Amino acid sequence: DTGVSQNPRHKITKRGQNVTFRCDPISEHNRLYWYRQTLGQGPEFLTYFQNEAQLEKSRLLSDRFSAERPKGSFSTLEIQRTEQGDSAMYLCASSLTQGSYQETQYFGPGTRLLVL
Amino acid sequence: QKEVEQDPGPLSVPEGAIVSLNCTYSNSAFQYFMWYRQYSRKGPELLMYTYSSGNKEDGRFTAQVDKSSKYISLFIRDSQPSDSATYLCAMKTGANSKLTFGKGITLSVRP
Repeated sequence: DTGVSQNPRHKITKRGQNVTFRCDPISEHNRLYWYRQTLGQGPEFLTYFQNEAQLEKSRLLSDRFSAERPKGSFSTLEIQRTEQGDSAMYLCASSLTQGSYQETQYFGPGTRLLVL
Repeated sequence: QKEVEQDPGPLSVPEGAIVSLNCTYSNSAFQYFMWYRQYSRKGPELLMYTYSSGNKEDGRFTAQVDKSSKYISLFIRDSQPSDSATYLCAMKTGANSKLTFGKGITLSVRP
């Protein structure tokens, strides 16, 4: 399977714990996005990387959230001191930008987080 | 007011019906418009991608964009039970920029 993969698929944690999610984009895709989706809502943008550079962060991304893409390949999203409001599906998407208007973002299956 | 508003659901139709899904937006900077389909507990998958105003057809699906009214639609002809999913409209301002999604509408096609 050469699609976007995310691990773990599900995570249950207690409030106050730290969690880390991983995203492996489609090979050679230079852009990687993180979105968050809560029940009954559409995905909301969190941050994105162009290669290893983090170019934009949403104000939704509080200080407790940090994302990295150290070698321009896979990415991690860490949430420190989790709160119940962090419970959501965390989606990763990747794309290849080549100046074409039809940059398509391909989504992974998501990591579903439940904070107890 | 959210930048993208999507008609509330859920929507239930009989097999073979024509389905019309709609979104409106307030940000004139949006230039690229997409429809994604999301099955339960899965990531969104791209269905349609349009840039200019007008219609774009792909099989049973037609995407319509009216930039002057800030209104986009997705039509599904001859709907099938396998079309049962959540449909999300999405938009972006630049060719290579983040997506802004609507809330999504859940469609159920009854056999």
